[in-house]
Amino acid sequence: SQQGEEDPQALSIQEGENATMNCSYKTSINNLQWYRQNSGRGLVHLILIRSNEREKHSGRLRVTLDTSKKSSSLLITASRAADTASYFCATDATGNTPLVFGKGTRLSVIA
Amino acid sequence: KAGVTQTPRYLIKTRGQQVTLSCSPISGHRSVSWYQQTPGQGLQFLFEYFSETQRNKGNFPGRFSGRQFSNSRSEMNVSTLELGDSALYLCASGLIQGGTDTQYFGPGTRLTVL
Repeated sequence: SQQGEEDPQALSIQEGENATMNCSYKTSINNLQWYRQNSGRGLVHLILIRSNEREKHSGRLRVTLDTSKKSSSLLITASRAADTASYFCATDATGNTPLVFGKGTRLSVIA
Repeated sequence: KAGVTQTPRYLIKTRGQQVTLSCSPISGHRSVSWYQQTPGQGLQFLFEYFSETQRNKGNFPGRFSGRQFSNSRSEMNVSTLELGDSALYLCASGLIQGGTDTQYFGPGTRLTVL
């Protein structure tokens, strides 16, 4: 069963706009990761945020984590057509448990 | 460093047959995980191997099995294929066991069962 649930399921924006995706999860986590998948291909790791962190940045990406609300958000600033992909959040409950993925948000960036 | 490689990339089988998929992790990685991805169920965890031992197993029938060799390469096998086994099978490798750290994914094997 899915641990994380992304919201919205699909998002369409214009190039240059910001894109925000949210992830909610059910149980306590060790860390939360975000991945990107271009159509029908493997997943690419974007960013990892640990349960004791609240915010993390990587280039145009900003991730926040609110463990009290069991939620995370991924912000992509100044989006580009190349950002068009599906974005997944993944969590692990403890250090030795596998990642559990949500169903993802499909982002379309229109040039 | 070479990335995770999976072979074959595409496979077409018929119901009742069996299939073996292969995954070569990034050099130095000892953990290999397998996932099944379908439009309806999303990404489902199959199993994880670490140093040749299965450490975690997802909720899949016994027709799905795997193993890991001493060089960390991994294979997964699906016997008595069913139509519902059609999916993208993804392999991921990591330095340590579990999801504590970054998982590096291969391009996947697209399996079609007719």
